[in-house]
Formats: sequence, C-alpha cells, structure tokens
Amino acid sequence: GAVVSQHPSWVICKSGTSVKIECRSLDFQATTMFWYRQFPKQSLMLMATSNEGSKATYEQGVEKDKFLINHASLTLSTLTVTSAHPEDSSFYICSATFSGLPTDTQYFGPGTRLTVL
Amino acid sequence: SQQGEEDPQALSIQEGENATMNCSYKTSINNLQWYRQNSGRGLVHLILIRSNEREKHSGRLRVTLDTSKKSSSLLITASRAADTASYFCATLHIGGYNKLIFGAGTRLAVHP
Repeated sequence: GAVVSQHPSWVICKSGTSVKIECRSLDFQATTMFWYRQFPKQSLMLMATSNEGSKATYEQGVEKDKFLINHASLTLSTLTVTSAHPEDSSFYICSATFSGLPTDTQYFGPGTRLTVL
Repeated sequence: SQQGEEDPQALSIQEGENATMNCSYKTSINNLQWYRQNSGRGLVHLILIRSNEREKHSGRLRVTLDTSKKSSSLLITASRAADTASYFCATLHIGGYNKLIFGAGTRLAVHP
C-alpha cells in the first residue's frame, strides 16, 4: 500500500518559535493531503485539506495564519506552526489520497509530536 | 466538528473475550471506516464498510452498518492483549475533498 512519512517524528521547541512539519508520500502522487491534530486521549480533529498548487481549506476554528500549509508538490505538504505556544502542543498527523487509488481511502502518516515549552 | 460518537469511551476485558464498540453519526455518508491507534502512534486502517453494505468481516473483526439508525459496530472476537489500543470510527462525507470525520474513540484494554 501507499506509504506516507512525516518528519520530524517529534519536536520540542520554545514558545514563540515556528515549527515546520513535513508530510511526504513515498510511492504515489498525492492528490489531496489532510492535516489533523490530536490532543492527549482525544480524537483526531481535521485542521485543513490541501491540494497541490492551491490554497488549503481550513476547518472552522482553525487559524490559517497560525497554521500555514504549503502543498508545493504532489509528494510534499508542510504544516508550519507559527509563533508556537504551549497550547499548540499536540500530535499532528497527516494523511493523503492518491491518484490511481480509491479516493475514499486515506493513508496516514505516523504523526509528529510537538511539545512547546 | 466531530460527527461520530462512540461508546463505550473505555472498555476493559479479559483475553479471549469479545469486544464490541459502537459508533453513531449524524449525516449521510459515503462509507465508514474503523482505525486502531496504539498509544502515541499513528493510525492503522482496519476495515472500510460502504453505505450500501450491512456487514463486513476481516479476520477477527466484524463490522456492521445500519444507515437507517446511522450507527455502526465493531466486534473483535477472541481478543488478545495485543488488541489493547484506541479504536476510532471515521465517516467519509460525500462530495468536496472527501473529508474524514473521526469519532471520539474507544480505549480498549485487554488483560492477560
């Protein structure tokens, strides 16, 4: 099956700094990529949906200026948490749908754990 | 906002017993999927059931879907300690970019 990787797997940063998380598809071209956030012992919340070369569509309540999403190519999407604060500490997971595979199936990355001190 | 509700929130059983988790949703769906997540790890896709299907099996997993009641259940038979994880249902909205909306999840603990 398709493989989605994320980098880094974990990151610790100081409050006020920006952190970039990469989501890569390794075998197929990703038509759409999704970004989720998961707080401890909670479910995944969809943050935004992005297609290559176009602006991301953010879910209600998600600040687009704080969570910058760039989907520059068919194999890479990045999420930048700008001016991170302790409340942004969370598990961030990306997923993708792929050209040539059923679009009702998303393939998930392993997640990135962000800790803001 | 989350669409799916799951119950129970937590389930504790002994090895060999069956575990049943339920999921309800609010609006029309294309399909419903079940995922497993071990603590602090990524998601593992378990099974997908389409809106025109009523039951599906995969190994020790049995999933049912009742679109009239907007509910689904996941049954794990003959549970093992390795089944200990959180289980989430997720519904796929029709149209748009195929948004997947997750339920609150059930934390399953299987004791040896």
